[in-house]
Amino acid sequence: GQNIDQPTEMTATEGAIVQINCTYQTSGFNGLFWYQQHAGEAPTFLSYNVLDGLEEKGRFSSFLSRSKGYSYLLLKELQMKDSASYLCADDSWGKLQFGAGTQVVVTP
Amino acid sequence: DAGITQSPRHKVTETGTPVTLRCHQTENHRYMYWYRQDPGHGLRLIHYSYGVKDTDKGEVSDGYSVSRSKTEDFLLTLESATSSQTSVYFCAIAGTGSSYEQYFGPGTRLTVT
Repeated sequence: GQNIDQPTEMTATEGAIVQINCTYQTSGFNGLFWYQQHAGEAPTFLSYNVLDGLEEKGRFSSFLSRSKGYSYLLLKELQMKDSASYLCADDSWGKLQFGAGTQVVVTP
Repeated sequence: DAGITQSPRHKVTETGTPVTLRCHQTENHRYMYWYRQDPGHGLRLIHYSYGVKDTDKGEVSDGYSVSRSKTEDFLLTLESATSSQTSVYFCAIAGTGSSYEQYFGPGTRLTVT
């Protein structure tokens, strides 16, 4: 998605915290999705933010600022199984546009 | 898990041949989507459907057509496959349009030689 920007790769150690940033264009914006995708598998839903602010779901939290066209996904207490690609997608004009994904590598 | 399957799961075909991929759902969801995923590009929308016989184009629709004759099936056809269409294809479903969680199928890996 050329209108969605997120880092290509991030590395962190087990037990640490990682924050994945995502910027998007605000035209026609409805909401912001985060998906997790393990290698060779289908994406799975993590969160959907419509309103500004932080939403927490266990070890994962997602933040949205509509005025700034900015979101982040926060992964806490990292586990080896969190090694995956994390996809940001904006819901604009009724369709999803995905970023290229951020590969998170968790090291022991 | 959402009841969504794709067939075939893997296919190798030659340039110029037609190919049809099938997406089948048991959730009675109204919305269905076809994406392709390529390294460096993420997921890109090919076509989508908002009801039986109602379809529309996504951002990379050239060379692809779709059909939806019943709620549970959404077919993607490559009318004359090219090497640039080598990709992993994902189908997704949603209950109330894209402003709601999309569930993805397991994917089809297509190689065009």
